Amino acid sequence: AQTVTQSQPEMSVQEAETVTLSCTYDTSESNYYLFWYKQPPSRQMILVIRQEAYKQQNATENRFSVNFQKAAKSFSLKISDSQLGDTAMYFCAFVQYFGNEKLTFGTGTRLTIIP
Amino acid sequence: EAQVTQNPRYLITVTGKKLTVTCSQNMNHEYMSWYRQDPGLGLRQIYYSMNVEVTDKGDVPEGYKVSRKEKRNFPLILESPSPNQTSLYFCASSLVMTGPGTEAFFGQGTRLTVV
Repeated sequence: AQTVTQSQPEMSVQEAETVTLSCTYDTSESNYYLFWYKQPPSRQMILVIRQEAYKQQNATENRFSVNFQKAAKSFSLKISDSQLGDTAMYFCAFVQYFGNEKLTFGTGTRLTIIP
Repeated sequence: EAQVTQNPRYLITVTGKKLTVTCSQNMNHEYMSWYRQDPGLGLRQIYYSMNVEVTDKGDVPEGYKVSRKEKRNFPLILESPSPNQTSLYFCASSLVMTGPGTEAFFGQGTRLTVV
């Protein structure tokens, strides 16, 4: 069974600074996808970024980028130039290639951007 | 607009009173699933459906039922709710068999309190 671990329950950072959220996972599969989801106070689950395990290049989406280390089974999220609207709960998630499409989530990191 | 609609968004009920949380998607997705979110536990899958009349248990199915009579609808049924089912519930849908990493679309969430 796959597991996803987020070891930082809470983090805070000053506005405009850079912050990195950590995520590790455990799987015996070689083909899978990893995701970061954002959950603001509205509770809506919003996809932030996605990484295919077969791609060595790290995914980027504007101010969001990941550091994907497949051998170490690590998938951290870096937020550059942080904004107040980035305040949210962030979940790391895993889905197996051609599995039952189940997302396995970490326990989340609550990120607060301080003005 | 592509969306997953859950109703109700908030529900307070008493132990043992049957309830149904509805979920509907307008994207013709084959795959639908239910998750519950609890503090410190992240999101955990309750049930999923790969297509009409095809459902299966997720990680925490006890106390829940589902049905998939139509492609667009996937209701979650609590036959006899108990206080340990107090949680935030999410319905999600995605295309299946279209390749890995298909984005999951989430509903707005249903905050259920069982007293």
